Amino acid sequence: NAGVTQTPKFRVLKTGQSMTLLCAQDMNHEYMYWYRQDPGMGLRLIHYSVGEGTTAKGEVPDGYNVSRLKKQNFLLGLESAAPSQTSVYFCASSYPRVGQDPSGANVLTFGAGSRLTVL
Amino acid sequence: DAKTTQPTSMDCAEGRAANLPCNHSTISGNEYVYWYRQIHSQGPQYIIHGLKNNETNEMASLIITEDRKSSTLILPHATLRDTAVYYCIVRVNFGNEKLTFGTGTRLTIIP
Repeated sequence: NAGVTQTPKFRVLKTGQSMTLLCAQDMNHEYMYWYRQDPGMGLRLIHYSVGEGTTAKGEVPDGYNVSRLKKQNFLLGLESAAPSQTSVYFCASSYPRVGQDPSGANVLTFGAGSRLTVL
Repeated sequence: DAKTTQPTSMDCAEGRAANLPCNHSTISGNEYVYWYRQIHSQGPQYIIHGLKNNETNEMASLIITEDRKSSTLILPHATLRDTAVYYCIVRVNFGNEKLTFGTGTRLTIIP
């Protein structure tokens, strides 16, 4: 049981290049999230998904696209990277639909992060 | 989700109890209080949550005031490994996934 796995862990891009961050979870969680964290700041929600085939915008969605073709995977894409997208990106998952936690919790499990630098 | 207010930073001596406060005066009846922490540059880690009763687990205790407008996370015997940023979040459990983390409290454990 690996939890939430993010790839790649590090990436350097040039302005205008595109890339995709992959998030995979093996906990059968229904919900998945992408956050970004800039130095000295909290985490800001980019996009999230409440189920396979569904996505929704978070607090800072501009410049990013996402897809949830499989329940266990949530992809974050940058079509044309900009220096302002230099950040650490965290994926998280939560809420198993089957066997719901009886305490009523909705606990997010985070990945280790992906550090992206755009030059 | 209700807004929370936390001190920017705190220090605590190793071996002592660390008490981290959080104000959430606009909390509504169906919102829970959650605590997470982020050690160095790792992903945030869940610590504990509660609705209105005090809660305790192997990591910490959570004390929620009777009016639910504030809470305190207690690390009973702080160690150097507890140095981290601690986030207090107030949220409903289902129906609103736009969960945003503020800047939290940077707790430094002093040897």
